[in-house]
Amino acid sequence: DTEVTQTPKHLVMGMTNKKSLKCEQHMGHRAMYWYKQKAKKPPELMFVYSYEKLSINESVPSRFSPECPNSSLLNLHLHALQPEDSALYLCASSPRGGERQPQHFGDGTRLSIL
Amino acid sequence: AQKVTQAQTEISVVEKEDVTLDCVYETRDTTYYLFWYKQPPSGELVFLIRRNSFDEQNEISGRYSWNFQKSTSSFNFTITASQVVDSAVYFCALSEAYNQGGKLIFGQGTELSVKP
Repeated sequence: DTEVTQTPKHLVMGMTNKKSLKCEQHMGHRAMYWYKQKAKKPPELMFVYSYEKLSINESVPSRFSPECPNSSLLNLHLHALQPEDSALYLCASSPRGGERQPQHFGDGTRLSIL
Repeated sequence: AQKVTQAQTEISVVEKEDVTLDCVYETRDTTYYLFWYKQPPSGELVFLIRRNSFDEQNEISGRYSWNFQKSTSSFNFTITASQVVDSAVYFCALSEAYNQGGKLIFGQGTELSVKP
């Protein structure tokens, strides 16, 4: 079992639905990340939160909206997604962020857009 | 520009064979960090190793070993006596010192299949 927990494991939604992905860690890490991974491709960074503040947004479309309610929890709110948004969404955390610290990943949420 | 190249898309070996996964990187920075991650079919990326640009010592952890050579900008990963459980996609990644957010630049990954 990983120390970064993501729910749900699988999600199927229509293009008009609103849903949220959740990520939780209890390692005391202060940096949290969202990645998108298409099949046979490496993960692509979407957002970085550092000390509960959004520090990086990799020009992600506004239909993806991140939220960090506290240092242990990270959400990704989804609205009006497109079929090409179907992917594995991975959450990660690291102790204080920055280039030297390894990121610890969750199992991911497999998202399918109908 | 920063870049990580894993030229081997897929590798297939028979159990107990040794296998080396190649990783070549490009960076303008003198301070940077290199990582290897393993992604089994279940999906999570498992951190294997971190190496900083000032530490060229090779490292061994059980059946895993890593060879870092700055002269050739390579950070190769060898699995000795491979096992079926080693079957996964392996990613090499780079993080640069000027990058405040700790953004990882991933290679395209190498899919390793170990057959019994």
